[in-house]
Amino acid sequence: DGGITQSPKYLFRKEGQNVTLSCEQNLNHDAMYWYRQDPGQGLRLIYYSQIVNDFQKGDIAEGYSVSREKKESFPLTVTSAQKNPTAFYLCASSIGTAGDQPQHFGDGTRLSIL
Amino acid sequence: KQEVTQIPAALSVPEGENLVLNCSFTDSAIYNLQWFRQDPGKGLTSLLLIQSSQREQTSGRLNASLDKSSGRSTLYIAASQPGDSATYLCAVRRADSNYQLIWGAGTKLIIKP
Repeated sequence: DGGITQSPKYLFRKEGQNVTLSCEQNLNHDAMYWYRQDPGQGLRLIYYSQIVNDFQKGDIAEGYSVSREKKESFPLTVTSAQKNPTAFYLCASSIGTAGDQPQHFGDGTRLSIL
Repeated sequence: KQEVTQIPAALSVPEGENLVLNCSFTDSAIYNLQWFRQDPGKGLTSLLLIQSSQREQTSGRLNASLDKSSGRSTLYIAASQPGDSATYLCAVRRADSNYQLIWGAGTKLIIKP
């Protein structure tokens, strides 16, 4: 079955540590996205990528970094510069970024501070 | 700046009732609007997408309406079931952007057996 796989499901970060969240898709989608979800707030876009080897900052990119070396993979690194990383992180993909193309979501990674 | 609001934040109703979830947005210049479902600790599943030129979309027991001029959308769920319990989110796609969705915070729906 085609879909988006996020791992791990739960992740704990120590002070000053960088952690990387994995996102893999086998839908052959060009576009991939990372969102952050906090209680009582709507999803906020961290980074998105329209094509391999290209990515753009979203609304809350500070303290995060991404890479897009392969079409199927879009890992997100939460750096030590992100002072409030506790949140639910969702990865999504779509065929392209045109308005009619729906985004498909993974099951998320919950990140907490130790 | 586009803002999306969903009220109420939580709703609990007995099984079998028909119910309406609300979504409002501040800028009527939208490309489309989507309703999603999110189960606890899970990702999002797209339920309905309404283009800006459409008034409503239907899928099974779900009906979504769109009134751009008033900045409102509703999701109507008929004959609710316990399996409908989830958080429902709406998101608008701006007409001036081909990538960004602006999200509401969601309505947590509980259907009591």
